[in-house]
Amino acid sequence: QKEVEQNSGPLSVPEGAIASLNCTYSDRGSQSFFWYRQYSGKSPELIMFIYSNGDKEDGRFTAQLNKASQYVSLLIRDSQPSDSATYLCAVNNNNAGNMLTFGGGTRLMVKP
Amino acid sequence: GAGVSQTPSNKVTEKGKYVELRCDPISGHTALYWYRQSLGQGPEFLIYFQGTGAADDSGLPNDRFFAVRPEGSVSTLKIQRTERGDSAVYLCASAGGSTDTQYFGPGTRLTVL
Repeated sequence: QKEVEQNSGPLSVPEGAIASLNCTYSDRGSQSFFWYRQYSGKSPELIMFIYSNGDKEDGRFTAQLNKASQYVSLLIRDSQPSDSATYLCAVNNNNAGNMLTFGGGTRLMVKP
Repeated sequence: GAGVSQTPSNKVTEKGKYVELRCDPISGHTALYWYRQSLGQGPEFLIYFQGTGAADDSGLPNDRFFAVRPEGSVSTLKIQRTERGDSAVYLCASAGGSTDTQYFGPGTRLTVL
């Protein structure tokens, strides 16, 4: 079992819809959670981070964390074709070193 | 301000050769990380520096891989006797200040023929 699991997709949504990206993790000691966006041929770009249970909103993006269920999600409202990319979930157990453990990423396609 | 920079952007080498990949972190960031990303997968951790010392090198796949950060800023990842399986994008990230948020450089695409 991978430490961080994501559905590889592709997840296809129409323009203007809400895209929901999900991630589960196995290390209960994980403390920091990150979402990165990666366009084809480019490096990961930070979108959001979340540390506490609940929701965190930033513009069209909302990160949701449920530590009891070991689940973190990213919602993208009013999806745009420019949001089409691979979204990487990453977790950090600060007590076990500061490296990020990544999921395999979910490919999102927003169709005009 | 400038982000993380990496050179070269692309490196093609032959099996058995030695390569060096360079990372220049965001100014003032004390933490520096190397990851490796194969096609269709998420980045995998290789090594982490806090200052000049390697705080965690548990991700290095074998002793052909080595990294240094002699002055606590620029880091070099060194790969000896390259193998075709070393072909990947090598990503560097840095972090600093009050958060553990890591910012990635553009990566070096290594191709071993």
